[in-house]
Amino acid sequence: SQKIEQNSEALNIQEGKTATLTCNYTNYSPAYLQWYRQDPGRGPVFLLLIRENEKEKRKERLKVTFDTTLKQSLFHITASQPADSATYLCALGNQAGTALIFGKGTTLSVSS
Amino acid sequence: DAGVIQSPRHEVTEMGQEVTLRCKPISGHDYLFWYRQTMMRGLELLIYFNNNVPIDDSGMPEDRFSAKMPNASFSTLKIQPSEPRDSAVYFCASSLRGEQPQHFGDGTRLSIL
Repeated sequence: SQKIEQNSEALNIQEGKTATLTCNYTNYSPAYLQWYRQDPGRGPVFLLLIRENEKEKRKERLKVTFDTTLKQSLFHITASQPADSATYLCALGNQAGTALIFGKGTTLSVSS
Repeated sequence: DAGVIQSPRHEVTEMGQEVTLRCKPISGHDYLFWYRQTMMRGLELLIYFNNNVPIDDSGMPEDRFSAKMPNASFSTLKIQPSEPRDSAVYFCASSLRGEQPQHFGDGTRLSIL
C-alpha cells in the first residue's frame, strides 16, 4: 500500500540554524509534491509545490528538493526563527492531479 | 478573499446523534475536499467534488457518512448516527484546479461522547 513517512514527529533546533525535514514515500509515483504548514487549531497552509521533473524549488528562506530515485523530498528552512515553529506536512499528488496523500507531519520547534 | 469557511468550529454531541458539518469554499474554485485529521492517522481524504459532482468517495469510512454539494458555494458532511470513534478534526479545502494548492478552512473539532 502507499506509504508516506516524515522523518520524525518532532524536531528541535536553535534560532538561526537550518531546519531540514524529510519526506519519504513507497509504492507511489507522484507527479508532484507539496509542502504545507499547520499551526495549532488552524488548517494547513500551502508553502511550496515541486514537480517530478524539478530537482529544487526555492521561496525566500524555504528550499525543497525532490529525488524520485530515492523517493524522497527534503524541506529546508534557513536562518530559522521562533515564528517558524509549526507542524509541516508533505503531500503527494498523482498524474490525475487531484487527490493528495498527506504525511503525518513533523513538528518543528525553534528556540531563541 | 474570505478563504474557506467552516461551521461550526466546535461540536460536542452524544453518540447516536446526527452531526452536520458545513463548508463554504473560495469563490471560483472548482474542487472541494473533505478531510479528517487524527493523531493516529494524520490527515485523510474522505471525499472530493469537482464542479459540485462527487468524484471519489473511497475515503468515506462507512455508510454513516454522507456528503453533498448542492451548489458551488456550499457543501455538507453528515454523520448519522455518530459514534465516539468519529471524534476528530474535519477540514474542508478548495482549489482552483486539480493540482493547484489547496486552501483549507480552520476545521471543525468534533467530539462524540
